[in-house]
Order: sequence, then C-alpha cells, then structure tokens
Amino acid sequence: AQSVTQLGSHVSVSEGALVLLRCNYSSSVPPYLFWYVQYPNQGLQLLLKYTTGATLVKGINGFEAEFKKSETSFHLTKPSAHMSDAAEYFCAVSDRTRSRLAFGKGNQVVVIP
Amino acid sequence: DAGITQSPRYKITETGRQVTLMCHQTWSHSYMFWYRQDLGHGLRLIYYSAAADITDKGEVSDGYVVSRSKTENFPLTLESATRSQTSVYFCASSDTTRTGEGSPLHFGNGTRLTVT
Repeated sequence: AQSVTQLGSHVSVSEGALVLLRCNYSSSVPPYLFWYVQYPNQGLQLLLKYTTGATLVKGINGFEAEFKKSETSFHLTKPSAHMSDAAEYFCAVSDRTRSRLAFGKGNQVVVIP
Repeated sequence: DAGITQSPRYKITETGRQVTLMCHQTWSHSYMFWYRQDLGHGLRLIYYSAAADITDKGEVSDGYVVSRSKTENFPLTLESATRSQTSVYFCASSDTTRTGEGSPLHFGNGTRLTVT
C-alpha cells in the first residue's frame, strides 16, 4: 500500500531562513505526489503536485519540491520563510488506482520573527 | 458564494448519541469525501462517493454512515458516538475521482466534534 512519512511534527524556522520539509514515500506504482497546506481553522489547499515530467515542480507562494526517485523523496522547500507561511503542511501520495490519496501526518511550521 | 460548506463548525455531543455532520457543495462536483484529522495521524479517509447514490468505505469507516441522495449534499452520521470519534472532520469534493492524478481536492473548513 502507498504511504508517506513526514518526520518532525513541529518545525521552527526563522523569518527569512530556508524552509525544508521532508517527505518520503512508498508506492507500488510510479508515484504521483502532492503537498497540501492548511492554515488555521481552514481546510487543506493544494500547494503543488508531481505527476510526470519535470522533477522540480513549483507551487504557490514561492514553494517548490523535487521528486527524487532514487531516494523515494519529495521534499518541500522555500528559500526565505515569511510569517504568513505558518501553517500545517501535508505530503500525500496517490494510491495504485489513482483515485485516492494517502496523507502523511503533517508538519506544523512555526515562523520565528 | 460558490464553495463547500460544512455545518456545524463546532459540536459537542454525549457518548451514545447519534449526530449528523452536514456538507454542501455548489460546484456540482461528482466526487465527495469525508476525512477525519487527528493529532499524530494526519488525515484519514472515512467514506467517499462517486455520485449520487454511490458510496464506498475508506480506511476508518466503522461507526459511520453516509448517504448521498443529491449530488450537492453528503452528510456523515455517527450512529452512536464514542469518545474515540472526537476529531476534526473535513468534507472535500472533486470534479473527478482521479484526485491521485492531480485533480485537487477542495476542502471545507471542518467540523470540530467533541464526544463527552
């Protein structure tokens, strides 16, 4: 079964510093991978996705992620953290039928002024 | 406004009571989903529906019932609430079941349910 591992439930980053959130996956089929963001008291929003093609994908709000097959990873980065980036971030992988997503446990990002 | 709305936003109920969480979407999306979000577990799929009158179980469906008589509504019922069902519940919709191919899920703002 497809699964996602996100280590470190809470991540603190200084304003202006690099944001790096790690995601490793297991999949029995070529993976389709996603990052979703959840702001306080809201539902999740799609941040970016990888399906096929270019392995470096860009999303909203300056985030990007790189698919590395050899490392089974899909880490999310942003060069310079902003206070508005404080949120919870979820990595997800599609199941083998491509019909549903399996979510990781999430990373709560705190931005320190 | 177009979108997906959940009601109520907050609910407190007692063990053993039946409670229904409502979900309404205005996009006419075919597919709808119910997730629960718990600390340390991320999001887990409870039920999903491909169209009116078509529903299927997710990974944590025990104790829950859904119906979908109209495309725009997808209520979730806890038949006899237990403390383990204390959680934040999210409804989502998509215009295709192929959320795994990149069609985004559109989420409501959630219902925070406490079972005492």
